[in-house]
Amino acid sequence: AQSVAQPEDQVNVAEGNPLTVKCTYSVSGNPYLFWYVQYPNRGLQFLLKYITGDNLVKGSYGFEAEFNKSQTSFHLKKPSALVSDSALYFCAVKDTGRRALTFGSGTRLQVQP
Amino acid sequence: NAGVTQTPKFQVLKTGQSMTLQCAQDMNHEYMSWYRQDPGMGLRLIHYSVGAGITDQGEVPNGYNVSRSTTEDFPLRLLSAAPSQTSVYFCASSYLLPESTQYFGPGTRLTVL
Repeated sequence: AQSVAQPEDQVNVAEGNPLTVKCTYSVSGNPYLFWYVQYPNRGLQFLLKYITGDNLVKGSYGFEAEFNKSQTSFHLKKPSALVSDSALYFCAVKDTGRRALTFGSGTRLQVQP
Repeated sequence: NAGVTQTPKFQVLKTGQSMTLQCAQDMNHEYMSWYRQDPGMGLRLIHYSVGAGITDQGEVPNGYNVSRSTTEDFPLRLLSAAPSQTSVYFCASSYLLPESTQYFGPGTRLTVL
């Protein structure tokens, strides 16, 4: 079975500060990991993914994520937060051989001016 | 390209009514899927399709039917609506299996009274 956990319902950060949104996963084989973002009243948009290779993945809008196999984590990071980064962030995982993604429950990021 | 389109944007049904949520994509994607989004529960997969004529159940398929007669269209049918089906429904597509980037539609907000 595949599962993903986002332990924080909400993350608050001041503009200009670094941000981290946490994600841990569980799979039987090798994971495919994703981050998506949802702005109010919109569908989800792709940010970045890890399939294989370099553990540090760079994505859209200055976001990056680090794959850590020993800790089964894939935390989303950004060095300097913007107010416009405020949104709902979803982590997702797919196990080898599975044909669908499993999404986490989402983390709301609030960036204060 | 219009991307992934969904109709209607909003719908109110009475318990026991049936309806079809429409989803279409113009990117020639093989993989399409339907999710429902409920507060605190993230996105849960209802049904998915890996190509025309091929569909499979996701995590929460009960009460929903799908068909895939063309590559472009993937309608979701509610057979007999129940208040528990009140949710926001998203359709998504990707080029191949879900490790490709998924593109999401804008969503349909459904209320069942």
